[in-house]
Amino acid sequence: KAGVTQTPRYLIKTRGQQVTLSCSPISGHRSVSWYQQTPGQGLQFLFEYFSETQRNKGNFPGRFSGRQFSNSRSEMNVSTLELGDSALYLCASSSTGVYTEAFFGQGTRLTVV
Amino acid sequence: AQRVTQPEKLLSVFKGAPVELKCNYSYSGSPELFWYVQYSRQRLQLLLRHISRESIKGFTADLNKGETSFHLKKPFAQEEDSAMYYCALSGIGGAQKLVFGQGTRLTINP
Repeated sequence: KAGVTQTPRYLIKTRGQQVTLSCSPISGHRSVSWYQQTPGQGLQFLFEYFSETQRNKGNFPGRFSGRQFSNSRSEMNVSTLELGDSALYLCASSSTGVYTEAFFGQGTRLTVV
Repeated sequence: AQRVTQPEKLLSVFKGAPVELKCNYSYSGSPELFWYVQYSRQRLQLLLRHISRESIKGFTADLNKGETSFHLKKPFAQEEDSAMYYCALSGIGGAQKLVFGQGTRLTINP
């Protein structure tokens, strides 16, 4: 079974630009969650999508948005990039049901210059 | 507020010595607690969860609701245990939204 795949692995963007990151979940998983990892703040939950609907949201500004497609693939968008958005962005997928497990991708390293 | 605290950023022990990675949490309900591990150049992966009460790679963790703790323990450390360890919590059945601690980097010295 293929794992969670995130593309691209690395990105360099300029302040003010926008960026889109992609996540392909494990086949059959309908939930996709996004996390931001920085040295200062650690791993922070951004949002979760299930069946194309945002089901949970963390405490991030509206510049951070996402969506999920009918095949469960998800994209995350950050608009008007700031230097502080430089981070490793992790995606995790999980199946439905009780006591599920989150499977993580290898992440996209975003650098804003 | 939901919070997970891992007081040690770095922990270094010798091979064969016991290991304990501390984790305390605050949650206004019945949380589910996890330990995730990230080995060098590998992705974050689940090590164990309190609900399963398993021993994985020799590690165990007991949920102490009175002390709101979920410490990870191993009686005899191995060099391959060197990694970054994260404690995390979620609501019951809610692995989709995890609150992580800051992590502890464990180094096992030969």
